[in-house]
Amino acid sequence: LAKTTQPISMDSYEGQEVNITCSHNNIATNDYITWYQQFPSQGPRFIIQGYKTKVTNEVASLFIPADRKSSTLSLPRVSLSDTAVYYCLVGDMNTGFQKLVFGTGTRLLVSP
Amino acid sequence: GAVVSQHPSWVICKSGTSVKIECRSLDFQATTMFWYRQFPKQSLMLMATSNEGSKATYEQGVEKDKFLINHASLTLSTLTVTSAHPEDSSFYICSARDPNAGRGGYEQYFGPGTRLTVT
Repeated sequence: LAKTTQPISMDSYEGQEVNITCSHNNIATNDYITWYQQFPSQGPRFIIQGYKTKVTNEVASLFIPADRKSSTLSLPRVSLSDTAVYYCLVGDMNTGFQKLVFGTGTRLLVSP
Repeated sequence: GAVVSQHPSWVICKSGTSVKIECRSLDFQATTMFWYRQFPKQSLMLMATSNEGSKATYEQGVEKDKFLINHASLTLSTLTVTSAHPEDSSFYICSARDPNAGRGGYEQYFGPGTRLTVT
């Protein structure tokens, strides 16, 4: 399983755009990149998933460069409720992500 | 999206007793469920993979005789912490894989977690 590296923490203010970058230098050809969000004392919640280039949904955007060795989760105009831990994971879609290995995650603190 | 529930949401038990935690997929059938443990300020650690109708697969370092997992139906998996000790106090989270979900059908849905405190 490809190892991921993320910043331990980030600070932002309400209304700003937040970009969290994840490094996955050993990503395999069949691996997809998935981001989860976790609030204290809750289970993780799926945010977005992608394979290459750019993916956008109602919550976030995911940017993946051509070499796929990193990815950036972009949260537009964050609010206080976006304060959470964000996890980047990579896994093989063909095996159904049988094992999700969580890294340290990035603790995002949004201030007024 | 699909919903996974856990029961209880929190439990306090005395050292030496056993406690059972239930994980249910409410609106889909999950052939595979996963159990994680999370200590304060730490990441989730996968404990075991639970497959319906077969024995669970435990991660290295996880005692299978202490953490009993039963996946008796396509919507229910249980984790029993036997002879609990204070060091077993943690946040236990389950997830279920919906093979018919979008995004290629391989998304995992997480339960809300169960806070176990052993006194």
